Amino acid sequence: EMQLLESGGGLVQPGGSLRLSCAASGLTLSNYAMTWVRQAPGKGLEWVSALSGNGAFTHYADSVKGRFTISRDISKNTLYLQMNSLRGEDTALYYCAKVAYNDYWYLDLWGRGTLVTVSS
Amino acid sequence: DIVMTQSPDSLAVSLGERATINCRSSQSVLHRSNNKNYLAWYQQKPGQPPKLLVSWASTREPGVPARFSGSGSGTDFTLAISSLQAEDVAVYYCQHYFITPLTFGGGTKVEI
Repeated sequence: EMQLLESGGGLVQPGGSLRLSCAASGLTLSNYAMTWVRQAPGKGLEWVSALSGNGAFTHYADSVKGRFTISRDISKNTLYLQMNSLRGEDTALYYCAKVAYNDYWYLDLWGRGTLVTVSS
Repeated sequence: DIVMTQSPDSLAVSLGERATINCRSSQSVLHRSNNKNYLAWYQQKPGQPPKLLVSWASTREPGVPARFSGSGSGTDFTLAISSLQAEDVAVYYCQHYFITPLTFGGGTKVEI
């Protein structure tokens, strides 16, 4: 069974950093494009970042560009999101999600999310 | 960026009745190269991650009940639930995947 398990969330002060992880099981991350999607408390879904299947291309929402970095470790079959210069508006549940096919970016597998709270 | 607008924000439907959710994109998500609409629908139940229901505007995912159907083309799309069941209470989102940034609609809450 394919599964994604996020970790690394927590409480951080404004201006601080966190690194989120998404461990994959039952699938090989290097075969798929992957994304991060976040959901602020009581709000809708916001796409954050994506990494192409070959690992060569990254994409970011304007709201996080220059502050967040998506990456992966193939040997650990894990996707990451390095988040720097965090702001209150980054407070959200962060999901990693698998892209169905490398050229067609709908999301057919989601983790349960990890909560990031940015507050002093 | 392509803006996705859903309507209504919420709707209450009796058990067994039909529910209809609309989604409009600010530009066409119909790709001329393959004549496919790059539009997906997701269901999110309380405390759970989103679940993919429909891709390509009208293709149900394996295991999704036949009472769910997607339709539309270009900029206007609909998700219909033909006979609402109690387990269909959720928030439904549309999402385009025509180009990055990927964007979602604001969500439609379906209640009994």
